[in-house]
Amino acid sequence: KAGVTQTPRYLIKTRGQQVTLSCSPISGHRSVSWYQQTPGQGLQFLFEYFSETQRNKGNFPGRFSGRQFSNSRSEMNVSTLELGDSALYLCASSVGQGSYEQYFGPGTRLTVT
Amino acid sequence: GESVGLHLPTLSVQEGDNSIINCAYSNSASDYFIWYKQESGKGPQFIIDIRSNMDKRQGQRVTVLLNKTVKHLSLQIAATQPGDSAVYFCAENAWRDDKIIFGKGTRLHILP
Repeated sequence: KAGVTQTPRYLIKTRGQQVTLSCSPISGHRSVSWYQQTPGQGLQFLFEYFSETQRNKGNFPGRFSGRQFSNSRSEMNVSTLELGDSALYLCASSVGQGSYEQYFGPGTRLTVT
Repeated sequence: GESVGLHLPTLSVQEGDNSIINCAYSNSASDYFIWYKQESGKGPQFIIDIRSNMDKRQGQRVTVLLNKTVKHLSLQIAATQPGDSAVYFCAENAWRDDKIIFGKGTRLHILP
C-alpha cells in the first residue's frame, strides 16, 4: 500500500505570494491532518479534515486554510506569505475520526524569501 | 505554549546499550500519548502509543512508561542500533481538545 504523498517536495516563494500544497492520504484513510514544523516551534498542529469537513483547527492566522476532497485528498493554502512561514509542512493521514495512529508524508519544504 | 516538553534535547548512547528518552507533560486531562521517530528528510513515524489507563506498554524493542502522578512519559529502546538515530517526539492528546500536541523532540545519537 502506498504511503502518504505530498507535492511539491520543495517550494520557494516570495513574500506576499500565496501557495497551495497537496496531500494524498493512504488509500482507505479518511482523516488528514496538517502540521507546520520549524526548528524554533517544533511540530504545530494546523488543522484536521474528515469527510471533507474541518474537524479541528490549531492556533494559526486565517491566512492558513485547507480543504479536503471527496477522495480524501487534501490541500492547504497559505496566502500573503511571510518570511516566518518558511517551514516543513507535514501531512498525516489516519483511518478515521478519532484515530490517532497517524502516518506522515515526507513533507513540503517551503522557503519564503 | 505547548504543554509537552522534553528533558534533554540530545542523547548519546553506545550501540548495543539501552536508550531512555524522557518527556514531561503538564495537562492532567491528557489521556493518550504517542511516541514518534523522525529520521532526516522524512516525516515522523509512529512508534508506540499508550492510554492513560495503562502504566506500561511494550512493542518490538521499545517500551513506553507512563507515570501519571508526576506527569512523566518515557520511551525505552533496547539494544540501540545505528538505525535508531533520529529525533524522537512525544505527543499528547486530551479527548476534549482532540488535538495532538507534540513536544520539541530529542535527538538520539548512537556511538559506535
